[in-house]
Amino acid sequence: IAGITQAPTSQILAAGRRMTLRCTQDMRHNAMYWYRQDLGLGLRLIHYSNTAGTTGKGEVPDGYSVSRANTDDFPLTLASAVPSQTSVYFCASSDGAGGPRIEQFFGPGTRLTVL
Amino acid sequence: AQKITQTQPGMFVQEKEAVTLDCTYDTSDPSYGLFWYKQPSSGEMIFLIYQGSYDQQNATEGRYSLNFQKARKSANLVISASQLGDSAMYFCAMRERSFGNQGGKLIFGQGTELSVKP
Repeated sequence: IAGITQAPTSQILAAGRRMTLRCTQDMRHNAMYWYRQDLGLGLRLIHYSNTAGTTGKGEVPDGYSVSRANTDDFPLTLASAVPSQTSVYFCASSDGAGGPRIEQFFGPGTRLTVL
Repeated sequence: AQKITQTQPGMFVQEKEAVTLDCTYDTSDPSYGLFWYKQPSSGEMIFLIYQGSYDQQNATEGRYSLNFQKARKSANLVISASQLGDSAMYFCAMRERSFGNQGGKLIFGQGTELSVKP
């Protein structure tokens, strides 16, 4: 059982380049999330999806886009990377999104450096 | 707006002693959940413990317990009998009820880095 996989593990990217971070889960969870982690700021939500075919903006969505074509995959795209997008990116999923108790499971993270 | 605050950027504790990591929150929703996650140096996020706003008793999970003081809006994590493997970053997070397409988003605190001394 893999849970959530993310690719790549790490990446160094030139500013202005386009980059897609991949996230796949095998738990058949309806809801998926993308967070970025920055020192002193904790994790902040970028985008989320309650179910396949729907997406929503989180706290820091600018410069990022997502799609949810199916239940398992939730890619995050940086259309034109900037140095401020240097961060560790976590994908997460949960079995539903309606109640406060629902636990989120996290992927191993992608460390992205934009030069 | 919902907010989570962890005021201790770093803490030290002697092995085998207990330690309390502070977390305060702000929300206007009467139904919410509070989570603690551990992030070791390897980077993964590990779920530790959950407390619901309507739970009558403080949550416990092995050596972890949550000191939930609803009136003060605090949800402190207590680790008993600290072990060297407890050295990690700890995050408090909150989730409100979601309506419509708002999603079950987690709001995280800034984190507390715990170091356990031998």
